[in-house]
Amino acid sequence: GAVVSQHPSRVICKSGTSVKIECRSLDFQATTMFWYRQFPKKSLMLMATSNEGSKATYEQGVEKDKFLINHASLTLSTLTVTSAHPEDSSFYICSAAPGGTDTQYFGPGTRLTVL
Amino acid sequence: EDQVTQSPEALRLQEGESSSLNCSYTVSGLRGLFWYRQDPGKGPEFLFTLYSAGEEKEKERLKATLTKKESFLHITAPKPEDSATYLCAVRISGSARQLTFGSGTQLTVLP
Repeated sequence: GAVVSQHPSRVICKSGTSVKIECRSLDFQATTMFWYRQFPKKSLMLMATSNEGSKATYEQGVEKDKFLINHASLTLSTLTVTSAHPEDSSFYICSAAPGGTDTQYFGPGTRLTVL
Repeated sequence: EDQVTQSPEALRLQEGESSSLNCSYTVSGLRGLFWYRQDPGKGPEFLFTLYSAGEEKEKERLKATLTKKESFLHITAPKPEDSATYLCAVRISGSARQLTFGSGTQLTVLP
């Protein structure tokens, strides 16, 4: 199966700092990647669609200036949480689908804790 | 409005006690229905993709089925290692591959 990695797996930061999370497709190229957020005991909520070489598409209610997405290559998308606050603490997960398929494969997730 | 509903929210089974999880959907056009397994603190792990009513997929103790309004994930003779949250998601026609997730069923299999 296709493999998606994320880095870091856990990050703790102080309020007001920025945090970058990387999502990589290891054995396939992905023109599109997706970023989700998950609260404890809740389901995944789509935040944005990351498009290689173009601007990301954000879901309603997601602040694009707070959650910066860059999809610089066919195997890497990054999510930067800018000026993080405690309410941004959450589990962030990315996904990607190999070209020509519908099935999305998910990364292992990144646990962000903002103090 | 497109909606995906999973039931039950939580299910406790004894080892070997077979059961089914339900995923009902109301969408404008179904492009595909997906089942994932998620362990605590990890990303979802892909299980099955179903595309059309009547389709069935099997993997070890799991079997997924699809009708025009719902999908079932049947678990036969479960083991404690099957304990996880099972997520159902749909891709809607014309949605540029985004998935809409249900709220999940937390399955606990007791030894």
